[in-house]
Amino acid sequence: DAGITQSPRHKVTETGTPVTLRCHQTENHRYMYWYRQDPGHGLRLIHYSYGVKDTDKGEVSDGYSVSRSKTEDFLLTLESATSSQTSVYFCAISESLDTDTQYFGPGTRLTVL
Amino acid sequence: GESVGLHLPTLSVQEGDNSIINCAYSNSASDYFIWYKQESGKGPQFIIDIRSNMDKRQGQRVTVLLNKTVKHLSLQIAATQPGDSAVYFCAENGGGSNYKLTFGKGTLLTVNP
Repeated sequence: DAGITQSPRHKVTETGTPVTLRCHQTENHRYMYWYRQDPGHGLRLIHYSYGVKDTDKGEVSDGYSVSRSKTEDFLLTLESATSSQTSVYFCAISESLDTDTQYFGPGTRLTVL
Repeated sequence: GESVGLHLPTLSVQEGDNSIINCAYSNSASDYFIWYKQESGKGPQFIIDIRSNMDKRQGQRVTVLLNKTVKHLSLQIAATQPGDSAVYFCAENGGGSNYKLTFGKGTLLTVNP
């Protein structure tokens, strides 16, 4: 998984609670991404980061926030979890704009009851 | 909006046969394409990529073909093995920012012994 870890790997939570997922990389790559994967959909971008403290929204960013205080860590927070946010969440990294390939972590399965 | 799609949602082959997985893309501006393999419960794994200035690229047992005229991408797997059983999906960069990939929904490849 290209030196990418995600934690936790599985989480069950209740509607209305905040949840934070962590992505950690050991590759020193500049770009980091959060995706969600749902049946019937391709991977959809939630947020991405192009450097420490530099982040931007993806196509499905509502209800999510991110933070990146250091190169190796990218956090995804569900401010008040809803059942529609039940999904598998993947973190990805890429080296630079000249290197398009994104490498993915193992994923976090989140269930919101 | 423009999106990446696959012709066949499932493909079943015999061990030892060659497999061909197809992908149609609609954004003519896309100039970079990636194939990923995703095994059950795991994150997407990079297989091979191709840029639009190429028609064909070969890796170990895999070949990607790009037909820009009809906006079609295919992944050929030679001598398919049981370990090749997985979901395969393609991604395109839309010709713009390289970090905004668009992913297809995937094709499930099943290899029968």
